Amino acid sequence: VTLLEQNPRWRLVPRGQAVNLRCILKNSQYPWMSWYQQDLQKQLQWLFTLRSPGDKEVKSLPGADYLATRVTDTELRLQVANMSQGRTLYCTCSPGQISNERLFFGHGTKLSVL
Amino acid sequence: AQSVTQPDARVTVSEGASLQLRCKYSYFGTPYLFWYVQYPRQGLQLLLKYYPGDPVVQGVNGFEAEFSKSNSSFHLRKASVHWSDWAVYFCAVSMGDSNYQLIWGSGTKLIIKP
Repeated sequence: VTLLEQNPRWRLVPRGQAVNLRCILKNSQYPWMSWYQQDLQKQLQWLFTLRSPGDKEVKSLPGADYLATRVTDTELRLQVANMSQGRTLYCTCSPGQISNERLFFGHGTKLSVL
Repeated sequence: AQSVTQPDARVTVSEGASLQLRCKYSYFGTPYLFWYVQYPRQGLQLLLKYYPGDPVVQGVNGFEAEFSKSNSSFHLRKASVHWSDWAVYFCAVSMGDSNYQLIWGSGTKLIIKP
């Protein structure tokens, strides 16, 4: 059973352009939604965890700037801007807040820079 | 600072042979430890997790891992690998509190020889 639906699966992003990603939660028992990035060397890094509709956070990392928004109880969005290196963004969900809970991953969105 | 080291970027074993993937962690306290697997072009899936208690943890598909506090290790084992085990394996540690983050190792790619 798929808990998360991520769109799109792959995007080619012209240098200097922003891209908007979307993640839909299919099961309300896992309301803690997060974004993780995986770089080209496969290194994973936590970006954000947003629980409540209206929550927003920004973060700048080497190679990209991020804005995450929890739109509704079932929808999480991520805007990626100023991306200089390709990466894959994964949406995750979890039953609880604390970090020893199991994470469920979406299929990911692979971003490549044009 | 907490960290996770997977010293082997790539491990090659013959189908039917036994397997050990190494994971060392650095953490001042009682860690919660995880192994996740990433099959080609997919998101990550949980193999097993360690909560304080029995040091040997059983996971899915015949995998197990052993926690060693004295060695600061959480190595993954399987008695007999199958070609379908070809994937990247990630070790992760959490502090088990309200911090959302998991700290990830860099991953070990498992290649199966026929």
